[in-house]
Amino acid sequence: QKEVEQNSGPLSVPEGAIASLNCTYSDRGSQSFFWYRQYSGKSPELIMFIYSNGDKEDGRFTAQLNKASQYVSLLIRDSQPSDSATYLCASGGGYNKLIFGAGTRLAVHP
Amino acid sequence: GAGVSQSPSNKVTEKGKDVELRCDPISGHTALYWYRQSLGQGLEFLIYFQGNSAPDKSGLPSDRFSAERTGGSVSTLTIQRTQQEDSAVYLCASSSRQASDTQYFGPGTRLTVL
Repeated sequence: QKEVEQNSGPLSVPEGAIASLNCTYSDRGSQSFFWYRQYSGKSPELIMFIYSNGDKEDGRFTAQLNKASQYVSLLIRDSQPSDSATYLCASGGGYNKLIFGAGTRLAVHP
Repeated sequence: GAGVSQSPSNKVTEKGKDVELRCDPISGHTALYWYRQSLGQGLEFLIYFQGNSAPDKSGLPSDRFSAERTGGSVSTLTIQRTQQEDSAVYLCASSSRQASDTQYFGPGTRLTVL
């Protein structure tokens, strides 16, 4: 069974700190990885995607992929209270559906 | 349209009734997905359409669930003889080609079965 695992949290960080969200996946054939943010009562919205090993930066967000360890992470620098949400990790490959993790709840406190 | 749209936004029904949920994907997107999200849970894949290919129905939880996509665009998810455990938010997403492409989600339909 293909799985994506995330710590459910909550992960609590102070405003201005770095939030580190982690995800592991079981399918070595996965080729693409996505981080979605979901506010309570809202639908998921894409934050970042990453296909290659290493880091990918976009503003305050950095996605990290290590295919050898089957590990994906999302770093949020200078965390803001507005970043408080559930972050969903997903893996995909080819024409198959994305496999989503259950999400990590992030709470940024002032 | 600018994004994925879904209707209705909320649906309350009685146990045993049939319901239809509609999804209108982003124009030009050939791939369409249905997911279910129960309260506090992650996304559960239901069904995937890609162009004119046979849909991937591997996530449908029972034969009470079915979906169709007419003309390669609008999709309808039908739940027959609804049960209380069907209560959830049903999310639709579309992407330009395949699952490895970014999926864009609609606002969801919140289904409550009494």
